Amino acid sequence: AQSVTQPDIHITVSEGASLELRCNYSYGATPYLFWYVQSPGQGLQLLLKYFSGDTLVQGIKGFEAEFKRSQSSFNLRKPSVHWSDAAEYFCAVGDGGATNKLIFGTGTLLAVQP
Amino acid sequence: EAGVTQSPTHLIKTRGQQATLRCSPISGHTSVYWYQQALGLGLQFLLWYDEGEERNRGNFPPRFSGRQFPNYSSELNVNALELEDSALYLCASSRQGLSNQPQHFGDGTRLSIL
Repeated sequence: AQSVTQPDIHITVSEGASLELRCNYSYGATPYLFWYVQSPGQGLQLLLKYFSGDTLVQGIKGFEAEFKRSQSSFNLRKPSVHWSDAAEYFCAVGDGGATNKLIFGTGTLLAVQP
Repeated sequence: EAGVTQSPTHLIKTRGQQATLRCSPISGHTSVYWYQQALGLGLQFLLWYDEGEERNRGNFPPRFSGRQFPNYSSELNVNALELEDSALYLCASSRQGLSNQPQHFGDGTRLSIL
């Protein structure tokens, strides 16, 4: 069955430091992969998506992610974190075909220290 | 372009009552998805509607139901409410019912069962 694992429940980084959030997936075919961000009391905002092609994808707010098929990973990165990046981040895989649902990881809560 | 809009923002009900949640998709989007985000359970797929038809449902009891109207807006109905139904209900829409179309989320309806 398809699944997504986000090994880090909670991460704290200093403002200006680099960030990498880990995501591993289990999927039989070429996956459609997504990163979403959720600020407190809000819905999910799409940061970036991978469907095919270039394995390094650029998203909004200075985020990027790299698809590594050999490692079944899709890690999210940002070179310099801002205080406004504090939020919860969700990795998801699109379960294509007849179901079309998103399967989410459990999320990583990011705290940013001044 | 207006995003996905959900109403109401908050809904308070008691056990056994019925709740109706509403969602308006982004203009041009024909697919609507419903997800439940409950504490400790993460984001779970509930329902998918496309072109007025229910295309798929997640592992939820039949008292969770919904419909999609000709203008592509959608309702989620939850009958015989139970305490465990307390959650944030998120609606998402996509351009077509295809897995390579990203889903865009609203801010959700917070349903509290007393």
